[in-house]
Order: sequence, then structure tokens, then C-alpha cells
Amino acid sequence: QQQVRQSPQSLTVWEGETAILNCSYENSAFDYFPWYQQFPGEGPALLISILSVSDKKEDGRFTIFFNKREKKLSLHIADSQPGDSATYFCAASRPNYNVLYFGSGTKLTVEP
Amino acid sequence: GPKVLQIPSHQIIDMGQMVTLNCDPVSNHLYFYWYKQILGQQMEFLVNFYNGKVMEKSKLFKDQFSVERPDGSYFTLKIQPTALEDSAVYFCASSLGGTASYEQYFGPGTRLTVL
Repeated sequence: QQQVRQSPQSLTVWEGETAILNCSYENSAFDYFPWYQQFPGEGPALLISILSVSDKKEDGRFTIFFNKREKKLSLHIADSQPGDSATYFCAASRPNYNVLYFGSGTKLTVEP
Repeated sequence: GPKVLQIPSHQIIDMGQMVTLNCDPVSNHLYFYWYKQILGQQMEFLVNFYNGKVMEKSKLFKDQFSVERPDGSYFTLKIQPTALEDSAVYFCASSLGGTASYEQYFGPGTRLTVL
């Protein structure tokens, strides 16, 4: 059973546009949602995260929007740059249980 | 940011052999993890480890798997014997604390190919 789902599988945007990556989850007990960025040949790097008590988290050009009722969240990357081209993973975890459940990733390509 | 190192980056072995994957976690971190990623699929949790003990493990963590961190050296994942379905990329991670509020830092992965 896949607990975290991501869409789309791949996304191409032009430089300067806002990329929107979607994530949904099954388990209503999840309360921590990190997004990881992964470049080819490297491990996932934590980009930004949100707790379920919040509905929005911003860090520079990266914003998470969280909808607890619908069990959905999205990562918005404003003013996308070619250097943002990578695979983005949504993950989730339960309270006091340090296991991350990952989605299958969205491969983002930003065209100059 | 903090770096987790993994050795080797790629390992090719014959089915039935033993393999040890090595992880050098962030120096002051106390919790260690292994995740498995089969090509084209999502990363899945295998096991976490704290204070010399396995804390949690998933159903993917078969009896042939074991982990240890002797005397603060490498955190290792040993598979003995290996099977074809063990072919995957294995990611090590570490965190300072043991709740979700502590960020997990990942290594670059070891690609294991079992022939």
C-alpha cells in the first residue's frame, strides 16, 4: 500500500515560471512532511518541511501549501531556474516515529 | 550542510555472496537509517538504529539483513546471503534526534547489483 503519492511523475516548465508539485497521503496520523531534492548521482537533500499544524510554509522561492482535511500538499517553486531541475520527493512521518514514507518523486525540468 | 558518506558507490556481487554496505554518518548524529530504492520506485524504509540497537524495522528487512555500528565506526548493512531481489540503491541517513522534528540527512547511495 503506497502511503504517499506524488503527481505528476514529470514536469517541464520554462525558466521564470512557477512549478507546482503535488503530494497526497493516506494516513491521517502523519504530521510531518519534508520535501527532498535529489540530483542525479546524489542522495536526497532536505529542501523544506511542514508540520500539520500549519497550512503554509515559505523558504525563499519554495512554498508548501498544506490541506489537512483533503490530505494533500503541494510544493510551489517560484521563478524556476534551470538549476532547480531535479527529482523532488514528498515524504511523511508520524509523531514520535522517525520513519519517513516517501512518494515516488516528480522529475522537474526547467527549460531556459 | 552535513554530509553522510557511503562506501562503495557501486557493488556487483554474485547471488548467495555476502555484502557489506558502509555508511559514515554525520559526526554528532545519534540515529541511523537504511532505506532501499528499486529503480523507478519510491524509497522505502528498512531499519533505524540507536544506541547500538535496532529500534524499528520494516518487512523489507529480511532475516538475511543485519546492521551494526561497532565502536563508533561505520554504520553497516550486511546482507548474507544476497538474493536477486536485493538489487537496488541503498541509502543511509542519520539524524541528531529520534523524532520527526529532527532532519534526516542522506548519503549518495550504494548501488548494489546482484547477478
